[in-house]
Amino acid sequence: RKEVEQDPGPFNVPEGATVAFNCTYSNSASQSFFWYRQDCRKEPKLLMSVYSSGNEDGRFTAQLNRASQYISLLIRDSKLSDSATYLCVVNVGNYGQNFVFGPGTRLSVLP
Amino acid sequence: DAGVIQSPRHEVTEMGQEVTLRCKPISGHDYLFWYRQTMMRGLELLIYFNNNVPIDDSGMPEDRFSAKMPNASFSTLKIQPSEPRDSAVYFCASSSDLANVNTEAFFGQGTRLTVV
Repeated sequence: RKEVEQDPGPFNVPEGATVAFNCTYSNSASQSFFWYRQDCRKEPKLLMSVYSSGNEDGRFTAQLNRASQYISLLIRDSKLSDSATYLCVVNVGNYGQNFVFGPGTRLSVLP
Repeated sequence: DAGVIQSPRHEVTEMGQEVTLRCKPISGHDYLFWYRQTMMRGLELLIYFNNNVPIDDSGMPEDRFSAKMPNASFSTLKIQPSEPRDSAVYFCASSSDLANVNTEAFFGQGTRLTVV
């Protein structure tokens, strides 16, 4: 089993739709969690950290369920500019930091 | 801050040649990561350093790959000899560890390597 798994995608949604991505991780000792966004032929960039209590940043909401080892990202009122690959990232470092990336889920928002 | 700087941005080389990729992390960051990204395998961690010391190199595919970090501001990833299956985008990332487990990794723009 891979350390971090995500919905395979791709997700093709119309503008204004709400879309949710799921992610599971295998290492119960994982320390911290993130969602990154990667545009075509660009480097990954942090979208948001994921906190235990869940957190929201504008149209984006992240949730963490440590018991189920599950992370989610909800995008409301999707925009054309949200089209990208969304990467679930888990810091599994027992000593310091070790970021493990999921395979990513591609999102296309259609006009 | 200029962010993580990688060079070259693109590299095309012939099979069997030595390839050296370079990375300058963000000043003050004490972790440096080398990743490889392909369509088939996604983003794979190759090796990471903490305070210039290699911590985990289990992701390095084989002896043809080596990485060094001679000081806090510079790291290299070397492939010798290169093979066509090494063609990928190689990313360098850095992060800090200030007892804040939610610190993120910052990525360079990557080096797109093509081995023909």
